[in-house]
Amino acid sequence: QAGLTQPPSVSKGLRQTATLTCTGNTNNVGNEGAAWLQQHQGHPPKLLSYKNNNRPSGISERFSASRSGNTASLTISGLQPEDEADYFCSAWDTSLTAVVFGGGTKLTVL
Amino acid sequence: EEQLVESGGGLVQPGGSLRLSCVVSGFTFSSYGMNWVRQAPGKGLEWLSYIASGTSTIFYADSVKGRFTISRDNAKNSLYLQMNSLRDEDTAVYYCVRNGGNNLDYWGQGTLVTVSS
Repeated sequence: QAGLTQPPSVSKGLRQTATLTCTGNTNNVGNEGAAWLQQHQGHPPKLLSYKNNNRPSGISERFSASRSGNTASLTISGLQPEDEADYFCSAWDTSLTAVVFGGGTKLTVL
Repeated sequence: EEQLVESGGGLVQPGGSLRLSCVVSGFTFSSYGMNWVRQAPGKGLEWLSYIASGTSTIFYADSVKGRFTISRDNAKNSLYLQMNSLRDEDTAVYYCVRNGGNNLDYWGQGTLVTVSS
């Protein structure tokens, strides 16, 4: 099943701002938006935001999501060492009747 | 606190079968849809299947349709995945995931399935 498109890697410096992107189509991201998940090595994913910019309780305000058309974005401000992780976007695809994921972006904090 | 604990993974030969289980606590299981998602070693996430709270609605990814069967027992707070005709490419960590507000909001720690002769 077709997935969402994410850049494989992004590198930014400590305390800088990183913006990760996720591109889909009108059946998924462009329909109900995307959710973002963070995964540290050896751990299960954790939900960071959903329906574009809603954060579960306990998630830092440094994580901010948005959407423009078929592209969703996750902005992480004031980068910290603990932000170094893999980030995945996901969305429900109304045409496939399936959840689709992006391939993931590995964020490196320099 | 929401907890999801998977079990049933292990080593199986190609063509074999396994049944994964997921026991949940900390929330009203019968009120939520549930998913199975897997992650092959060093790879990304792959959604496999969804079952609604009342089992009336079930979806599968094309990659497992006809081979895997999702089910649940609300009385036992348990989710299951019956996996048949396993292939090498089914080797992965399998996660049980709650569907909260149409989002994959709580994940178990995963159980490793290795398909190899």
